[in-house]
Amino acid sequence: ETGVTQTPRHLVMGMTNKKSLKCEQHLGHNAMYWYKQSAKKPLELMFVYNFKEQTENNSVPSRFSPECPNSSHLFLHLHTLQPEDSALYLCASTSTDRTYEQYFGPGTRLTVT
Amino acid sequence: RKEVEQDPGPFNVPEGATVAFNCTYSNSASQSFFWYRQDCRKEPKLLMSVYSSGNEDGRFTAQLNRASQYISLLIRDSKLSDSATYLCVVNEGTGGFKTIFGAGTRLFVKA
Repeated sequence: ETGVTQTPRHLVMGMTNKKSLKCEQHLGHNAMYWYKQSAKKPLELMFVYNFKEQTENNSVPSRFSPECPNSSHLFLHLHTLQPEDSALYLCASTSTDRTYEQYFGPGTRLTVT
Repeated sequence: RKEVEQDPGPFNVPEGATVAFNCTYSNSASQSFFWYRQDCRKEPKLLMSVYSSGNEDGRFTAQLNRASQYISLLIRDSKLSDSATYLCVVNEGTGGFKTIFGAGTRLFVKA
């Protein structure tokens, strides 16, 4: 399935590095999401963009910086992360036709050393 | 109280068994409800939306009770391939974007 793609699939970065995660959806949706999934914890919503406008920021630290240049692409820029930021970062998209059914990408498994 | 609470599990059942998952949510203004399944080290995948009138998709039946703020999922004639974590998901707010995931209930179906 290639409806929602994410790159890279795996990333190891030091605490002083700057990296970016990329998400692209090919479903014609207008809303995109970033989630964090840590071991043995529920998925946590981080950000939501609807028609390129940010509609949700779930009190995410500023070391995570999202960017949504258009409805098909979503980035998560990372800088000065902490080891506790190691997790699976999932992107999802939805069509706001009142169903709000979300379709997820495969995720980026991030390790901060 | 957690915003979305599920049975802690895990559930261990034999093939062919019927298994029920329960979920409660705290925000009475919640608007949309879903069940997702997540396989180990994979992304969540939509299993079914949950409608007020209840809905069925093959072996899967979902129910919603808004008065009790309760959602359920019933799997009949369980298969080995049903083994996964089942996630209860609630959308809140007028925009529908604030999404809360339950912690999930792990299901193991054994031969």
